[in-house]
Amino acid sequence: DVKVTQSSRYLVKRTGEKVFLECVQDMDHENMFWYRQDPGLGLRLIYFSYDVKMKEKGDIPEGYSVSREKKERFSLILESASTNQTSMYLCASRSPDEAYGYTFGSGTRLTVV
Amino acid sequence: RKEVEQDPGPFNVPEGATVAFNCTYSNSASQSFFWYRQDCRKEPKLLMSVYSSGNEDGRFTAQLNRASQYISLLIRDSKLSDSATYLCVVIPTDSWGKLQFGAGTQVVVTP
Repeated sequence: DVKVTQSSRYLVKRTGEKVFLECVQDMDHENMFWYRQDPGLGLRLIYFSYDVKMKEKGDIPEGYSVSREKKERFSLILESASTNQTSMYLCASRSPDEAYGYTFGSGTRLTVV
Repeated sequence: RKEVEQDPGPFNVPEGATVAFNCTYSNSASQSFFWYRQDCRKEPKLLMSVYSSGNEDGRFTAQLNRASQYISLLIRDSKLSDSATYLCVVIPTDSWGKLQFGAGTQVVVTP
């Protein structure tokens, strides 16, 4: 089974801090994704990457950046955390066989105070 | 209008009963469809893919209606453990494999 690991389950950060969320997958997948999930809004795509050093903006990239230096690792960076970035952040890796959709990490619940 | 829309529920279902709910999508070029299940404070997990001809997986049946642009999920003989939020997921054509998610339908199975 594909395993997608997010480095932290819960984080509390202060407004203005730079925040790094790490995601590692172990199945050599090209495609990786960062989403945030908020009540009533569902999952919204922040950024995605289809290969090393490649990145594309999703639907809500403002205030975020990403890094993909190695195939297995996809990092989400909050340049200057704000309270409206308090959310659940989910990383996903995509199977090359579309029939299997995504595999998600267990999520990072970030609170910005 | 959202790309993928679901009734948020909750659908309160007695144990052993059948529950069904739909999801509508706006992009007629969508090519792949899934149902994910998400438990409270957990990550979404793939429940089943949805095929054009409809498909079953045990007590779960998924249907696709391309003409009306909706998919459905039916759960028979509901168990307490079926209580969760069910996310409808769509992959449009030429989307780099990006999934579009509905906000989810909550199902609560009661004893």
